[in-house]
Amino acid sequence: KAGVTQTPRYLIKTRGQQVTLSCSPISGHRSVSWYQQTPGQGLQFLFEYFSETQRNKGNFPGRFSGRQFSNSRSEMNVSTLELGDSALYLCASSPLRDYEQYFGPGTRLTVT
Amino acid sequence: AQKVTQAQTEISVVEKEDVTLDCVYETRDTTYYLFWYKQPPSGELVFLIRRNSFDEQNEISGRYSWNFQKSTSSFNFTITASQVVDSAVYFCALSVYNQGGKLIFGQGTELSVKP
Repeated sequence: KAGVTQTPRYLIKTRGQQVTLSCSPISGHRSVSWYQQTPGQGLQFLFEYFSETQRNKGNFPGRFSGRQFSNSRSEMNVSTLELGDSALYLCASSPLRDYEQYFGPGTRLTVT
Repeated sequence: AQKVTQAQTEISVVEKEDVTLDCVYETRDTTYYLFWYKQPPSGELVFLIRRNSFDEQNEISGRYSWNFQKSTSSFNFTITASQVVDSAVYFCALSVYNQGGKLIFGQGTELSVKP
């Protein structure tokens, strides 16, 4: 089976712009979670989608949003980018909730 | 609230040494899950193990072994006869029942195995 894929792998944006990141889960996996990884804060949970519904949300401002499509593919959007949003954004998929998550390679976002 | 603590920020060993990575967790939930992930320099998190709170049996997989002790809220990871390829950042994580999509990670332990 193909693993979790994320596009794009690298992205450079300017402060104030918005960005959309995409994640394709492992075939058959219905749960998709997003995480932000920074050197200072480590790995932090953003949100989880299961069957097109947001089931859980981390402690991030409303500028961070996401959605999941009927084929389980997911996107996350960050509006009005700030310098502090520079991070590695990781997507993970799981066959069901409470199971192990399999991570994609991440999208490295740099905000200048 | 839940929390995971990995007190060891960095560990350096010489090849073939055994090394133990510590993980202490906090949760009031009775049903929860513990995980270990490996993040090599390439950046992709690799799943190693999942344990549920009702299964305290230790597990061994090749050179890897895990010791789960509910009495001390610990889930330690031992690599026997370490190899250079084991060099990576290792993360311990926790999720609670019915919030399975939310992993709470420790800060990670960077393991360096020198030849």
